[in-house]
Amino acid sequence: DAGVTQSPTHLIKTRGQQVTLRCSPISGHKSVSWYQQVLGQGPQFIFQYYEKEERGRGNFPDRFSARQFPNYSSELNVNALLLGDSALYLCASSSDWTSGRAYNEQFFGPGTRLTVL
Amino acid sequence: AQSVTQLGSHVSVSEGALVLLRCNYSSSVPPYLFWYVQYPNQGLQLLLKYTSAATLVKGINGFEAEFKKSETSFHLTKPSAHMSDAAEYFCAVRDPYSSASKIIFGSGTRLSIRP
Repeated sequence: DAGVTQSPTHLIKTRGQQVTLRCSPISGHKSVSWYQQVLGQGPQFIFQYYEKEERGRGNFPDRFSARQFPNYSSELNVNALLLGDSALYLCASSSDWTSGRAYNEQFFGPGTRLTVL
Repeated sequence: AQSVTQLGSHVSVSEGALVLLRCNYSSSVPPYLFWYVQYPNQGLQLLLKYTSAATLVKGINGFEAEFKKSETSFHLTKPSAHMSDAAEYFCAVRDPYSSASKIIFGSGTRLSIRP
């Protein structure tokens, strides 16, 4: 079975441009989360989507947005790129959306490496 | 707020030696704790998780971790290091107050294995 797939694998943009990253979850998974991993740091939560609705948002500016499609794939959009947006963007999928004490394992994709010049 | 602190950004051990990666957590409620591994140019793979069952948790590739509430620690160990263990390791905590399945990661520990 295919795991979480992300495209593209690498991307180079210049400051002020806009970028769209794509994620396809594991077949049967309905929830997608996005994380940003700056070099030398741990991943930071950006968004979670379930059944096309936003279920959670991390501490990121409004330049970051996302959406989920009927087939549960997802796009992350970043507008007005800054040098500090250079990072590995990870997508994770899980079979369901849970909060509180419930646990649902998240499976991570290989990531998209974004470089902003 | 939940957080994790990983002690030591880089750990180097000899092949066959004990691996010990340290993690301390902060949580106002019983936490869910995780260890993930990241190989170069790859995503994250779950090594093991603690979800309030047994305090000694066994994971993949011979790793295990022990939840110690009194010490607020969740250190990762492996009795005998292998060259293939060289990677970045992240300790993480689940935020039970979040409306999302939000995982909070530590800053990571790079494990190097000397021949």
